[in-house]
Amino acid sequence: QVTLRESGPALVKPTQTLTLTCTLSGFSLSTSGISVSWIRQPPGKALEWLVSIDWEDDRYYSTSLKTRLTISKDTSKNQVVLTMTNMDPVDTATYYCARMPSPLYAFDIWGLGTMVAVSS
Amino acid sequence: QSALTQPPSVSGAPWQRVTISCTGSTSNIGAGYDVHWYQQLPGRAPKLLIYGNTNRPSGVPDRFSGSKSGTSASLTITGLQAEDEADYYCQSYDSSLSVFGSGTKVTVL
Repeated sequence: QVTLRESGPALVKPTQTLTLTCTLSGFSLSTSGISVSWIRQPPGKALEWLVSIDWEDDRYYSTSLKTRLTISKDTSKNQVVLTMTNMDPVDTATYYCARMPSPLYAFDIWGLGTMVAVSS
Repeated sequence: QSALTQPPSVSGAPWQRVTISCTGSTSNIGAGYDVHWYQQLPGRAPKLLIYGNTNRPSGVPDRFSGSKSGTSASLTITGLQAEDEADYYCQSYDSSLSVFGSGTKVTVL
């Protein structure tokens, strides 16, 4: 069964760095044509794509957030890690990781999401 | 502000047909990128509903259909059901980066 599971802190303080982990199950990011993205959704608002990493370790960043984001993968642990620096209350959101296989170029499997609040 | 514009809400009675538009530009949908659609039930993660403009993943009811023309795309629900009450998002690419639409809430009257 193909699943993704997000994990990380539920609360961070302003200016801190957020680190989230996406654990993959049932597939590998070393498989040709596979990429994993991070997507967030502030309460009551729309989805926002943040960043992706693919099987060749190519990385793509949202233009508006690229100075604050870093994505990496640990193939041995089957994990993808997102770091976001200088957190602000406007970054309060549910953060999802999702798989994208290249034939589809659509997000076919999503994690349940993890809610992150930014508050002092 | 999203590069893909959707109406904030649409509504319809059971068994009616509703259509959700997704309006882009020549840098995204009009550039030839495919459009995908997602359904997000209240409190749940999004679920892929339509991929590649018109294709349904296995298990998605055939009352959901998609189309694309020029710089826009549409999702149609033919025979609206109570369980279709949800938020719907289109997704495409803009200058090779993924972008989501602004989202549409579908209400079943």
